[in-house]
Amino acid sequence: DIVLTQSPALAVSLGQRATISCRASQSVSTSSYNLMHWYQQKPGQQPKLLIYDASNLASSIPARFSGSGSGTDFTLTINPVQADDIATYYCQQSRELPLTFGSGTKLEIK
Amino acid sequence: EVQLVESGGGLVQPGRSLKLSCAASGFTFSNYGMAWVRQTPTKGLEWVASISTGGGNTYYRDSVKGRFTISRDNAKNTQYLQMDSLRSEDTATYYCARWRRGAFDYWGQGVMVTVSS
Repeated sequence: DIVLTQSPALAVSLGQRATISCRASQSVSTSSYNLMHWYQQKPGQQPKLLIYDASNLASSIPARFSGSGSGTDFTLTINPVQADDIATYYCQQSRELPLTFGSGTKLEIK
Repeated sequence: EVQLVESGGGLVQPGRSLKLSCAASGFTFSNYGMAWVRQTPTKGLEWVASISTGGGNTYYRDSVKGRFTISRDNAKNTQYLQMDSLRSEDTATYYCARWRRGAFDYWGQGVMVTVSS
């Protein structure tokens, strides 16, 4: 299985940039696609897709969210961070089955 | 507006069965793959199973193969997860999700399944 590693938590100040990383145990990229996706989950709610294929913004997601990366290293950036962004963020790969998720990074306000 | 509504969760004894349903609306159901994802505080998010648009292709994580069956009825805009031989480690919140390009682009609110004697 492809293991996705995320830092447990990140503290940032409102209005600043948040950079959340995800490292895969093997490449999740093909010649055409970077098969990494990002989700936001607020307490008591279902996850919401933010970014698909590493850098494509999902429908209705604000442009302050962006994604980058290829191979084994991927980043979700939130700039600027707003109070509503307090949540846990998960990466997920679809390069191979089983589809796997990272353990999540909890975004906290400094 | 895309909506996914799960039902069928509850408390069940180990070894027994439970069937989850997910009613979809707001999109052309037959055009999309569908999936089930579960979540626990200890294991986090776990993909459980996926099914292709017509239902001809199904995919499972190893720990549920042979025990769980994913299916869909495109005439009823509904997908299902038949869970047999349930174990305590199957206790989780189960989410129905639309599966597109490998990602889960819409999720239901989730339904709780508790396996305990």
